[in-house]
Amino acid sequence: GQQVQQSPASLVLQEGENAELQCNFSTSLNSMQWFYQRPGGSLVSLFYNPSGTKHSGRLTSTTVIKERRSSLHISSSQTTDSGTYLCALETGANTGKLTFGHGTILRVHP
Amino acid sequence: EAAVTQSPRSKVAVTGGKVTLSCHQTNNHDYMYWYRQDTGHGLRLIHYSYVADSTEKGDIPDGYKASRPSQENFSLILELASLSQTAVYFCASSHWGTSAETLYFGSGTRLTVL
Repeated sequence: GQQVQQSPASLVLQEGENAELQCNFSTSLNSMQWFYQRPGGSLVSLFYNPSGTKHSGRLTSTTVIKERRSSLHISSSQTTDSGTYLCALETGANTGKLTFGHGTILRVHP
Repeated sequence: EAAVTQSPRSKVAVTGGKVTLSCHQTNNHDYMYWYRQDTGHGLRLIHYSYVADSTEKGDIPDGYKASRPSQENFSLILELASLSQTAVYFCASSHWGTSAETLYFGSGTRLTVL
């Protein structure tokens, strides 16, 4: 079965609302990363977060290894946050090989 | 700012034809990767390389070859393109090959096989 499960598959928000994106993994974890993909565009790394909580502006990532999950919280969403959010875990030690989830498509309406 | 350039940006190929996707990085990075993304799915690793003249198989290598003639260049080759290889292909690079560092992605190549 798939090693990385993301939920929800899609999410629609009104500007200003908060979002909580989930990533669950079924295999042991070397590390976890979150990426943002603009519609039709490339990927940008948001967080490298193997464990604990990290903050970057309106974004917060929390990884709990024992529970095999990671979350991405977006506060006070903006229309420019629209796009796809992907989590990925490293499956090969020190190779940078990543296994990606299917992503959460976020749409923020004005 | 790290730069990864892919060419072409899009391509239409015929079934059974040969397709070469190119990737060039100016980051002086050792590791380079080829991923494919299908609509509504995440990325899957096809091949990667950590040194020139050497390539490694990723999770879905069947039907693909890779070539790393220099540190800067990494190509993905479809010898006999098939309909199932229609997808968006992303190249990426990183310095040390650990996920603790940032992975830099190209803009992608949209391949349509007819």
